Amino acid sequence: AQSVAQPEDQVNVAEGNPLTVKCTYSVSGNPYLFWYVQYPNRGLQFLLKYITGDNLVKGSYGFEAEFNKSQTSFHLKKPSALVSDSALYFCAVSSAWVYNTDKLIFGTGTRLQVFP
Amino acid sequence: NAGVTQTPKFQVLKTGQSMTLQCAQDMNHEYMSWYRQDPGMGLRLIHYSVGAGITDQGEVPNGYNVSRSTTEDFPLRLLSAAPSQTSVYFCASSYSREPGNTIYFGEGSWLTVV
Repeated sequence: AQSVAQPEDQVNVAEGNPLTVKCTYSVSGNPYLFWYVQYPNRGLQFLLKYITGDNLVKGSYGFEAEFNKSQTSFHLKKPSALVSDSALYFCAVSSAWVYNTDKLIFGTGTRLQVFP
Repeated sequence: NAGVTQTPKFQVLKTGQSMTLQCAQDMNHEYMSWYRQDPGMGLRLIHYSVGAGITDQGEVPNGYNVSRSTTEDFPLRLLSAAPSQTSVYFCASSYSREPGNTIYFGEGSWLTVV
C-alpha cells in the first residue's frame, strides 16, 4: 500500500537559516511526489513536484526538494527561511495509474515555524 | 482566472440536517475530487470524478453523495449530518486522472456539526 510519512509534527527555524522539512514514502512502482503549503484558513497551494528526471526540483517561493530513490525520501528545503514561510506543509505521493486507486496520498503535515 | 471555487466558507449544521457544499472550476479540468482534512490525519479522499456523469468513491465515502452533471461543477452533499463530519472540506481538480498531474485546491469549507 502507498504511504507517506512526515516524521516531524513541527519544525522550528530562525529567520535566515536553512530549513528542511522531511518526507519519506512507500509506493509500488515509480513515485510521483508533491509538496503543498497551507496558510491559516486557506486551501493547499502547490509548491513543486517530482515526476522524473533531475533529482533536485525547484519550486515556488524559493523552495526546492531532493528526490532520493535509495532512501525513499523527498525532503523540502530552502536555503534561507523567511517568517512568511511559517505554514503547514504537506508531502503527497501517487504512483502508476491503477483503476480505482488513483489518488494522492497525503502525509499528516509538518508545521513550520520561522522565528524572527 | 478563479481556479477552484468553494462555497460556503463556513457553515454550522445541526445533527441530522442535510446540506450541499458547492464546488466549481473554470480550468476545464476533467478530474475533480473532494477531500476532508482532520487534525493529525492529513487529507482523505471522499469522492472523485473523472468526467461529467462519472463518479466514484474514495477512502471515506460514507455519509456523502456527489454528482457531476457538468465538467465545471462537483457538489458534495451531506445526507444527514453527524458530529463526526465536523471537518474542513476541500474540493480539488486536475487536468486528468493521470497521477503526475498537479491537483489544484479550493480555499476550503469549514463545517461544524452540533
